[in-house]
Amino acid sequence: KNEVEQSPQNLTAQEGEFITINCSYSVGISALHWLQQHPGGGIVSLFMLSSGKKKHGRLIATINIQEKHSSLHITASHPRDSAVYICAVAKRTSGSRLTFGEGTQLTVNP
Amino acid sequence: NAGVTQTPKFQVLKTGQSMTLQCAQDMNHNSMYWYRQDPGMGLRLIYYSASEGTTDKGEVPNGYNVSRLNKREFSLRLESAAPSQTSVYFCATPTKGNAEAFFGQGTRLTVV
Repeated sequence: KNEVEQSPQNLTAQEGEFITINCSYSVGISALHWLQQHPGGGIVSLFMLSSGKKKHGRLIATINIQEKHSSLHITASHPRDSAVYICAVAKRTSGSRLTFGEGTQLTVNP
Repeated sequence: NAGVTQTPKFQVLKTGQSMTLQCAQDMNHNSMYWYRQDPGMGLRLIYYSASEGTTDKGEVPNGYNVSRLNKREFSLRLESAAPSQTSVYFCATPTKGNAEAFFGQGTRLTVV
């Protein structure tokens, strides 16, 4: 079983919809990252969380350390949000090395 | 400020050929990483370097070697490429405290 599990694997939405992507992990962590990978392949960091909630524009990330669960929300989704969203954790025993989920492919249709 | 520069972007190799993937960062970070990304799997760590002069194996090091030439550069070498090494390779470097990770644009490698 993977230490980092994301759901769903694929998600199709209509423009304007509220989107939630989930990430569950089974190890002790020092931080959790959400990353975005666009069709061109480049990967960019969206958030790093160790507790609570962060917001950047239409993106909101939350983490519940006790439940070992994080969510990424996108409000008022737009076709340009179409990308693969990747959850990654820094395990307490691994320093800054990250363990990645498989990613969630999001497609937002106009 | 280029961030993380990774070359080449695409490469096709024949089985048994060798090649080196180059990565350079201009952010003065200590740590650098090489990952591979395969369909249906998360990125997996091949090798990493916590600081200039040190390298360590990651999750899938077999068939690869690395060199941390200086603080800026971290190269990945395939001595004898195999079809199982067909993948997309990413170089990455985190900020101190792991607040953010910066990735190169990726190298799509096909071994035939």
